Amino acid sequence: DTAVSQTPKYLVTQMGNDKSIKCEQNLGHDTMYWYKQDSKKFLKIMFSYNNKELIINETVPNRFSPKSPDKAHLNLHINSLELGDSAVYFCASSQLRDRNYEQYFGPGTRLTVT
Amino acid sequence: AQKITQTQPGMFVQEKEAVTLDCTYDTSDPSYGLFWYKQPSSGEMIFLIYQGSYDQQNATEGRYSLNFQKARKSANLVISASQLGDSAMYFCAMSYNQGGKLIFGQGTELSVKP
Repeated sequence: DTAVSQTPKYLVTQMGNDKSIKCEQNLGHDTMYWYKQDSKKFLKIMFSYNNKELIINETVPNRFSPKSPDKAHLNLHINSLELGDSAVYFCASSQLRDRNYEQYFGPGTRLTVT
Repeated sequence: AQKITQTQPGMFVQEKEAVTLDCTYDTSDPSYGLFWYKQPSSGEMIFLIYQGSYDQQNATEGRYSLNFQKARKSANLVISASQLGDSAMYFCAMSYNQGGKLIFGQGTELSVKP
């Protein structure tokens, strides 16, 4: 059973389009995250939800909007896609009460904007 | 501000030898966690090892050990008996009491030579 899954795995789209990436975890965790990995492999937190409540919102353009319909799902919607949005987007989950905040990552979604 | 630094962009090691990947961190928070993740060419993020700031002993997980030197603020990863499958990008990361988000270093690309 996949612990953290993301769909789609690859996404190729044109500038100006709107797209969504979905994430689901079956670990029973209470916290989910979105990270962005750029072309230089640098990973940076974008958002975090704890029990469906937004708790981390880093400096991310308003075109990015996360949505958490329940504890097991965290989706990322991107409006008016730009070339600079091309990256790999990782979803992750953890149990915030756990002392170590170990995070389990999904397989990533490679977004290419042309 | 919290920061993770990996100063080795690339490393080479001979198969069956040990290798140390460097990681230094900066935080004023007394409670934090240090992680190492492996990212092979397939792209997924694989959790390797965790060290808590209050842990007295260095963490070990199979061939991986974390050399934690708190006073020096370093958390180096030691891989013993390198295998060809260890060739990958390795990321050091830190969590602290801000919603569990991870801050990542720049990564070290390890190549294992036969």
